[in-house]
Amino acid sequence: DVKVTQSSRYLVKRTGEKVFLECVQDMDHENMFWYRQDPGLGLRLIYFSYDVKMKEKGDIPEGYSVSREKKERFSLILESASTNQTSMYLCASSLTLEETGGYEQYFGPGTRLTVT
Amino acid sequence: SQELEQSPQSLIVQEGKNLTINCTSSKTLYGLYWYKQKYGEGLIFLMMLQKGGEEKSHEKITAKLDEKKQQSSLHITASQPSHAGIYLCGADSGGYQKVTFGTGTKLQVIP
Repeated sequence: DVKVTQSSRYLVKRTGEKVFLECVQDMDHENMFWYRQDPGLGLRLIYFSYDVKMKEKGDIPEGYSVSREKKERFSLILESASTNQTSMYLCASSLTLEETGGYEQYFGPGTRLTVT
Repeated sequence: SQELEQSPQSLIVQEGKNLTINCTSSKTLYGLYWYKQKYGEGLIFLMMLQKGGEEKSHEKITAKLDEKKQQSSLHITASQPSHAGIYLCGADSGGYQKVTFGTGTKLQVIP
């Protein structure tokens, strides 16, 4: 079974702190994604990576950066945490479905981050 | 950019009842995905639809994509408490296996 793990389930940080959220997948997937999920707004893509050291901005990259030094690990960095970054953060990696050519995203359990 | 609207936003049903969740796109759908999320957890892939008129089933859940490929429905037959959660539709979104998600439908099933 594919496994996507995230470093913390719950995290509380202070405004201005630098925050690292780690995500690891064990299936050699090329593509990895970071989303945030907020009530009424659904999942919004922050950043994604299609290969080691390759990254692209998603829909809401402001205030975030990412790092992908190894294929299995994709980190989300909040350079200076702010209260409006309080959210649920979800990491995913994706696999091509051979039958259809579509793809399936595998999600980690999420990190609920509170910035005070 | 593609927008996906889901309806209803939330749903409370009695166990054993059938229900339908809709997902409407502002653009033609080339790949439509359904995911389920248990409260406070990650998403689990249910199924993917690609062709107009396509229908797929998994256990008691059936998803359809209309002929015009702009609307999908998810139907649950004889709902059970294990069906409770948030259902999200997603659509292919510009390469690199990106998916744009709808805002979700929260389902509660009362025993």
